[in-house]
Amino acid sequence: DQQVKQNSPSLSVQEGRISILNCDYTNSMFDYFLWYKKYPAEGPTFLISISSIKDKNEDGRFTVFLNKSAKHLSLHIVPSQPGDSAVYFCAARAPQGAQKLVFGQGTRLTINP
Amino acid sequence: DTEVTQTPKHLVMGMTNKKSLKCEQHMGHRAMYWYKQKAKKPPELMFVYSYEKLSINESVPSRFSPECPNSSLLNLHLHALQPEDSALYLCASSPNDYSNQPQHFGDGTRLSIL
Repeated sequence: DQQVKQNSPSLSVQEGRISILNCDYTNSMFDYFLWYKKYPAEGPTFLISISSIKDKNEDGRFTVFLNKSAKHLSLHIVPSQPGDSAVYFCAARAPQGAQKLVFGQGTRLTINP
Repeated sequence: DTEVTQTPKHLVMGMTNKKSLKCEQHMGHRAMYWYKQKAKKPPELMFVYSYEKLSINESVPSRFSPECPNSSLLNLHLHALQPEDSALYLCASSPNDYSNQPQHFGDGTRLSIL
């Protein structure tokens, strides 16, 4: 039972353009969502998060959108840079009073010069 | 630079060995976590410690034994592991286990079981 899904295993974007990564979830009780970036041989690095009471959060080039009715969130990166090439994981916090994160399968983003 | 430090970075052990993974953070976080990540898969939660007490055990086999000796340290003791336990083991920490604060991860220990 995969509660958090990233249906695109990979995405290729031109440098300077917008990258849009998508994530769907099934549990309507999830209350906190996060995006992590992972380079090879490193641990996941926190990028941006959003609480379920909001529908948008921005931090520099990164914006996360949450559509609760569709159980969908997306990460927008603009403009995309070569250093953004990595695997991106979305994660959702399970509603059990503790920080139990459920991760999606990840999307490998490649930024082409 | 990661603020969560894991040692060793790599570990190769036989199925009869006993070894330990170590995780350290000095951010004053009171929640610490162990995750297991297989190749091309997402991290999967194993254990959560909150204020040095075990709060979540995700039905992990007893050959994995966590320990939190103080608020900065988290250990994972390994004994009689199986080849399928080969994976990247990630440690993470957060200020606590209930507020909307992200978990911060170390770079992991890559474990190979012969």
